[in-house]
Amino acid sequence: KAGVTQTPRYLIKTRGQQVTLSCSPISGHRSVSWYQQTPGQGLQFLFEYFSETQRNKGNFPGRFSGRQFSNSRSEMNVSTLELGDSALYLCASSLVPGYNEQFFGPGTRLTVL
Amino acid sequence: KQEVTQIPAALSVPEGENLVLNCSFTDSAIYNLQWFRQDPGKGLTSLLLIQSSQREQTSGRLNASLDKSSGRSTLYIAASQPGDSATYLCAVPNFNKFYFGSGTKLNVKP
Repeated sequence: KAGVTQTPRYLIKTRGQQVTLSCSPISGHRSVSWYQQTPGQGLQFLFEYFSETQRNKGNFPGRFSGRQFSNSRSEMNVSTLELGDSALYLCASSLVPGYNEQFFGPGTRLTVL
Repeated sequence: KQEVTQIPAALSVPEGENLVLNCSFTDSAIYNLQWFRQDPGKGLTSLLLIQSSQREQTSGRLNASLDKSSGRSTLYIAASQPGDSATYLCAVPNFNKFYFGSGTKLNVKP
């Protein structure tokens, strides 16, 4: 069974641009969560989607948004990029939301210049 | 709000040593706790998931224990190998969010 896939793996953008990251969960998994990982802040929860609905959102500005499609694939978008948005963005999938085992993708490394 | 702490932040041991990594959490009303491994620049690999009704979970040389009442979990690694070098993180779910510790960076010297 294929694992969680994330595309692209690496991105370089400049301040003010916007970016879209994609995540395909494990087949049969319907919950997708996104996390931002930085050396200073560690792993921080961004949002969680289930059945195309955002169920929970972390403490991030409105520039960070996401969506989930009917096939459970998810995208997250960051608009008006800032230098501080440089991070590893990780996607995790689980069967259903909340308390099931999470499986992570390899991440997208975003660098904002 | 759930807070998760991992001690020590870094650990360096010679190959073959048995070691213990610690994870503590402030809200003991948890459903489960998950241990992960992360190699530099990579995603997280799930190692063990302990349900709140369990006290221990084992996979190969890894053994994780959970004591909800004291808000603690330990990850025991037996006969450590250089390939075990990585950052180990624990995570607990709380109201549909997962809270992570800051990790223990393990270096196993040949």
